[in-house]
Amino acid sequence: KAGVTQTPRYLIKTRGQQVTLSCSPISGHRSVSWYQQTPGQGLQFLFEYFSETQRNKGNFPGRFSGRQFSNSRSEMNVSTLELGDSALYLCASSQTTGTRPEQYFGPGTRLTVT
Amino acid sequence: LAKTTQPISMDSYEGQEVNITCSHNNIATNDYITWYQQFPSQGPRFIIQGYKTKVTNEVASLFIPADRKSSTLSLPRVSLSDTAVYYCLVGDMGSNYQLIWGAGTKLIIKP
Repeated sequence: KAGVTQTPRYLIKTRGQQVTLSCSPISGHRSVSWYQQTPGQGLQFLFEYFSETQRNKGNFPGRFSGRQFSNSRSEMNVSTLELGDSALYLCASSQTTGTRPEQYFGPGTRLTVT
Repeated sequence: LAKTTQPISMDSYEGQEVNITCSHNNIATNDYITWYQQFPSQGPRFIIQGYKTKVTNEVASLFIPADRKSSTLSLPRVSLSDTAVYYCLVGDMGSNYQLIWGAGTKLIIKP
């Protein structure tokens, strides 16, 4: 079974621009979660989508948004990029929601904002 | 909102047993407590999960007291390859359910 894939793997953007990251979950998984990871803040939960609906949302500003398609693939968008948005963005998929189902993480997208 | 507390870092030696404790309050009463392991440049990987008492699998044990206000991940006979960051994961009991990750414990195993 193919694992979680994320594209692109690396990205360099300028302050004020916007960016879209993509995540393809494991086949059959309906839940996709997004995380931001930085050395100073650790792993921060952004949001979770389940069956095309946002189920949970972390404490991030409205510049961070996402969506999920009918095939469970998900995209995350960050508008008006700030220097502090530089981070590793991880996507994880699971069969259902909550802490019970094992989450499978992708390799991440390394975003650098200059 | 649920809160978690883990030690920032720990050191140990090959062959020793390592216990990492995560304190957590206001967690969802019917949700599991899960632990993940992360190596550099990789996403976290599931280790073990439990609801109450003790759970054991081929790589670790998890101890959860009856009040579920903490959980302890136990790694038996660690090796150098166990050097990684370990995270606990709980669910928030509030009306706006969300997953709460611990800050992570950096475990360094020495020869």
